[in-house]
Order: sequence, then structure tokens, then C-alpha cells
Amino acid sequence: AQKITQTQPGMFVQEKEAVTLDCTYDTSDPSYGLFWYKQPSSGEMIFLIYQGSYDQQNATEGRYSLNFQKARKSANLVISASQLGDSAMYFCAMREVLWGYALNFGKGTSLLVTP
Amino acid sequence: GAGVSQSPSNKVTEKGKDVELRCDPISGHTALYWYRQSLGQGLEFLIYFQGNSAPDKSGLPSDRFSAERTGGSVSTLTIQRTQQEDSAVYLCASSSGGTGSSYNEQFFGPGTRLTVL
Repeated sequence: AQKITQTQPGMFVQEKEAVTLDCTYDTSDPSYGLFWYKQPSSGEMIFLIYQGSYDQQNATEGRYSLNFQKARKSANLVISASQLGDSAMYFCAMREVLWGYALNFGKGTSLLVTP
Repeated sequence: GAGVSQSPSNKVTEKGKDVELRCDPISGHTALYWYRQSLGQGLEFLIYFQGNSAPDKSGLPSDRFSAERTGGSVSTLTIQRTQQEDSAVYLCASSSGGTGSSYNEQFFGPGTRLTVL
């Protein structure tokens, strides 16, 4: 299986500030897809953003953007103008072709937004 | 438009008992996935279904685990002779993408929290 690494177990950010959550990956497949999910304390998994390996531009969805650096194999999530409701676990994931496109998740980063 | 539903939401069982966890995917979604989330292991992939077929069962942690899907819809994950290390949240997800899909957003259910005493 491919490997996803999230090196930040926990992060703090002040409300209204921007924060970057790191994700690196390892794959030999030239075609791949990267996902970010948010998991608040309620436990639901919320899809945030997707980046395909052949996409020409970095993905953006509202306050979420993906800093995709293909040569460095990194796909960092940038949250702009943080809100208290952004406090949650954030998971980076890559689809696994051998698993029928199931997701291979990193260990996650716990983000706490402070007033 | 209902989302993915799972039942029960919580299950407490005694070691050695069998349990069945149910997943109702979004109507029309052909792909269905089971994951397990535990404190020590993070989110682990268990098994996927394309239609009623599960091509690869190697992600299941042991032969005590089995899963089936009928009618291309509801799936059941069964754990026999439960052990304390089976305690976790079991998440189900579904997607409309087939195996040829490059963008395969998965919609997750709320999970079943299993506690084995």
C-alpha cells in the first residue's frame, strides 16, 4: 500500500488566522488522488477537498485550499480565517487502486482553534 | 436524500460473543467500504464491495471477521468470538464511482461504536 504521513499530531491556531496542516505521501503510481477529511468530536467524517495528480491547479474549496507540490510529494491543507468550528481531527488520505479506491488514511492532525 | 446509515450506533458486548454491524449505503451507490477506527491504529481499511462482490478480503484483521452485501445495497460486517482488541468505531462509506473512477468521493456513515468487555 501507499503511505501517507501526517507529522503534526496536534496544532493550535488563533481564530481568524490561517493554518497549514502537513501531509506527505509515497507512491509510485503516476495517477493518484488525494483527499482531506475533517472529523469533529461528533465522529462524522466530512469531505473537504480533493486533488488529482494530473490536476493543473491547486484545489480550492471556500476557506480550504491544497498546497500541492508534486515533486516533493506533499499535499498540505491550508485553512484560511480559522473559526472555532474548525476545531477537529483532520485526515489526509490517498485512494488505493488495489482496494477498489478505498482510502488509505494518515494518522491525522488534531487542530484546536482558540479565541 | 438520505445519507449512509449504520446500526446500531453503539454496541456493548461480552468477550466471545458474535456481533453484526449493519450499513445502509446511499441509494444507487455501487461501491461500499468498511473501515475501523481505533485509538492505536487510526483509520484502517477492512474490505470493499463493488456491487455484491468483495474482490479482496485481505484487509480483514482475522478470520473472525466476515462481511457480505446483498442486493447491491445493505452490507453486514460480522465479528465472531469478539475480543477486547476488536473495540473500535466501525465506519462504513459508499460512493457512486466504479473502479475506473479517478475521483471517488466517499460518503461516510456515523459509525458503530463497539465495546467488548
